[in-house]
Amino acid sequence: GAGVSQSPSNKVTEKGKDVELRCDPISGHTALYWYRQSLGQGLEFLIYFQGNSAPDKSGLPSDRFSAERTGGSVSTLTIQRTQQEDSAVYLCASSLSPSGQAFSYNSPLHFGNGTRLTVT
Amino acid sequence: RKEVEQDPGPFNVPEGATVAFNCTYSNSASQSFFWYRQDCRKEPKLLMSVYSSGNEDGRFTAQLNRASQYISLLIRDSKLSDSATYLCVVSVTGTASKLTFGTGTRLQVTL
Repeated sequence: GAGVSQSPSNKVTEKGKDVELRCDPISGHTALYWYRQSLGQGLEFLIYFQGNSAPDKSGLPSDRFSAERTGGSVSTLTIQRTQQEDSAVYLCASSLSPSGQAFSYNSPLHFGNGTRLTVT
Repeated sequence: RKEVEQDPGPFNVPEGATVAFNCTYSNSASQSFFWYRQDCRKEPKLLMSVYSSGNEDGRFTAQLNRASQYISLLIRDSKLSDSATYLCVVSVTGTASKLTFGTGTRLQVTL
């Protein structure tokens, strides 16, 4: 399909291990976001990529979290030395951002199905 | 105070009922407002944007009250398929990275 694709859909890992989550945005979408959602909680912003601009990392909860976006397309979110509190659904979203505008009404976020991360 | 607050519900309503949700936001510089819908264990999907003058899409009506800093969503003639969590989303000064999601209001429509 043409939607946002995330992998893996589920990941169980032991505390202290590193994990890598992947997001393949919709083709042509220049904006890419990572959020996480814990059970019964709202979406927590993690990081935002827009074209070739420096990413907004203001939502990353600690230096164990990092993300890259290669070639303006696929993004990976890496969590090092995972902790139990990292358990959540990690959602990636992309949007079509018109030139010169960071956001507009005509650029809704399209979310992937998420990666459910469980740290044991 | 949270940036975006919603009543978590659940709102249990019979089919055919009219139900309304409010969402309050704390930052008066907020410029863009949206309602997203999230089904259980699914990703959020845009339901509708909220325009200053209010807007309607079929059975759904969204309104913005800047003076009181809240937005509302009205659902008329509720269907079983409307059962979901409705997320209020607010953006400050149209900056994409500053989208703030509420925790959602859960709606359960029953027979």
